[in-house]
Amino acid sequence: DAMVIQNPRYQVTQFGKPVTLSCSQTLNHNVMYWYQQKSSQAPKLLFHYYDKDFNNEADTPDNFQSRRPNTSFCFLDIRSPGLGDAAMYLCATSPGTGNEKLFFGSGTQLSVL
Amino acid sequence: GEDVEQSLFLSVREGDSSVINCTYTDSSSTYLYWYKQEPGAGLQLLTYIFSNMDMKQDQRLTVLLNKKDKHLSLRIADTQTGDSAIYFCAESSRSNDYKLSFGAGTTVTVRA
Repeated sequence: DAMVIQNPRYQVTQFGKPVTLSCSQTLNHNVMYWYQQKSSQAPKLLFHYYDKDFNNEADTPDNFQSRRPNTSFCFLDIRSPGLGDAAMYLCATSPGTGNEKLFFGSGTQLSVL
Repeated sequence: GEDVEQSLFLSVREGDSSVINCTYTDSSSTYLYWYKQEPGAGLQLLTYIFSNMDMKQDQRLTVLLNKKDKHLSLRIADTQTGDSAIYFCAESSRSNDYKLSFGAGTTVTVRA
């Protein structure tokens, strides 16, 4: 089945230690998104790629970076995680045709010790 | 930015109908969506409605849109225990490059 896959499911890192979360998709969608979701809150868009074009949200901290080496893969890099970065990170894809029905992965739950 | 608001909690008896309400502020909203999130999982698209529609029905789900009042609702008929989850309302518009703005989610608890 076509899907969005996130690895790992759970990630524990230390304060200040760089961490990378990964996402892959078999839907061949043009757009890939990274959302941060904290408990009892709405998912917050960090950035998205339309093909190779990177689009950063204005309030996304510089601590968060992303890479999309090809259509199928997208990575979220957190350069120096702080305690406030502990959250669920959701990857999503959409076709990029206007009616942006998002397909989400299961998420990576990040803990910062 | 665009504001989307939902009530935070809903408790419903198994077999009854659930109605989840949502309001939004962007009058240029083009599409409105309902997503379901089960514990520890990602969001799953349940249904969506185009802004020129008033109603959309899909099996047990009925979406009502009052564009004048900027009010969206999701009705779940014959609510089951498997419907216990967080339900997110979201909207998108061309003015925001079709990026989705989510509400904070409504936690639905189904009791026996």
